This record gives sequence, structure tokens and C-alpha cells, in this order.
Amino acid sequence: EVQLVESGGGLVQPGGSLRLSCVASGFTFADYAMHWVRQVPGKGLQWVSGISSDSVLLAHEDSLEGRFSISRDNTRNSLYLQMNNLRREDTAFYYCAKEGELSLLSWFDRWGQGTLVTVSS
Amino acid sequence: VVMTQSPVTLSVSPGERATLSCRASQNIYTNLAWYQHKPGQAPRLLIHGASTRAAGIPARFSGSGSGTEFTLTISSLQSEDFAVYYCHQYHNWPPVTFGQGTKLDIK
Repeated sequence: EVQLVESGGGLVQPGGSLRLSCVASGFTFADYAMHWVRQVPGKGLQWVSGISSDSVLLAHEDSLEGRFSISRDNTRNSLYLQMNNLRREDTAFYYCAKEGELSLLSWFDRWGQGTLVTVSS
Repeated sequence: VVMTQSPVTLSVSPGERATLSCRASQNIYTNLAWYQHKPGQAPRLLIHGASTRAAGIPARFSGSGSGTEFTLTISSLQSEDFAVYYCHQYHNWPPVTFGQGTKLDIK
């Protein structure tokens, strides 16, 4: 069974940093591109970052202004999101999502349960 | 690519049909997916390729459309179908884009 389990969320002060992790199981992690998607409570889904299976291609939402960085470790079946200089508007549930096909850029066929990041003083 | 969903909220009685719309700001061919999202749960893939049901999705869910206009139809609403539904274009990135969501309410 495919599973994606996020961790690393919590309460952080404005300007602080957090590193989110997503551990994958039940599929060959190294074969698939992965993404982070967030949802501000009461709002819709917003794509944050994506990374190809081999880490060669990666991209982030422009509005993040370079504060977030996605990475992966295929030996550990893990996806990461380093979040720096956090702002109150970054408060959200953060989900990792797996692409549905081996080629980069397809639908997201599995999602994790999410981890909540709260930015507040 | 900007994705626009309508309506924002849809109130439908159990057993009735629900029709949700999604419009893309440019041609995305059939590179569109639909997801169901309930509070506290992971989003669930319903449809990809605009009209292909994902594994395990009941036949009452169907998708149609191509280019810029897409529709998700739920033929006979069950109690477990009341949720928020999102469309998602994967024709090009970055960025990947989602519609703002349609909340399906019990009437």
C-alpha cells in the first residue's frame, strides 16, 4: 500500500525556519516526481514546490521569493521542504503528493495526511 | 494557467446529480485532474486525463471536457460525496495550478 507520511510541522515564530519531511513507502520512490502542496485553513490548495525523480528539475511557487527549498533523498525514500524566513501567511497544512506517472508532470495519485505549520509570535 | 471553478458552493440533495465546472485560461488539452477533499483527510484523486476514473473510484463520478472547459459530474449523490472538489492542470509547470474549489453541500 502506498503511504506518504509528513512530519516536522509545528509552531514557529515569524522569521524562523522549519524543515518538513515526507517518508514514502509502498512504491519505488526513486521513480517518481514529488510535490509539496499547502492549504491555508479555510482556503484552497496551493502548489508550493516540485522535484523530479532524479532531483535534476525542481521548481517553486514564485510568490515564495526563494524562502523555501525542496529536496529528496532516494536512499531514504524521503522528500523534504526547508522553509526559511517564515511569515504568518505561511500558516497552512502542508501535504506531500506523488505523481501518478513515471514521466514528470502528471496528476497526483497519492497524498499524505498533511502536517500543520503555524507561524505566530 | 489560471483555473477557475464554478460555482463556489453547490447545494444538492442526496440522490440528485451534481455538475461542477472548471475553466482553464489557456488550452490544456486533457491534462486535467479532479480531487475530492474532506476536512482532516488527504485529498483523493478522482479523475485524471479529464475523463479517466482513478482506481477504486465509483462509476457515479465522471469527467468530461478538453481544451479550456471541463466538467465533473456526480450522477447520484451519496452522503459521503459532500466535500470540496478541486480541478488541477498539469499541462505545464511551474507553477502547477489548482482551481479555487467547489464546496458541495447537502441541500
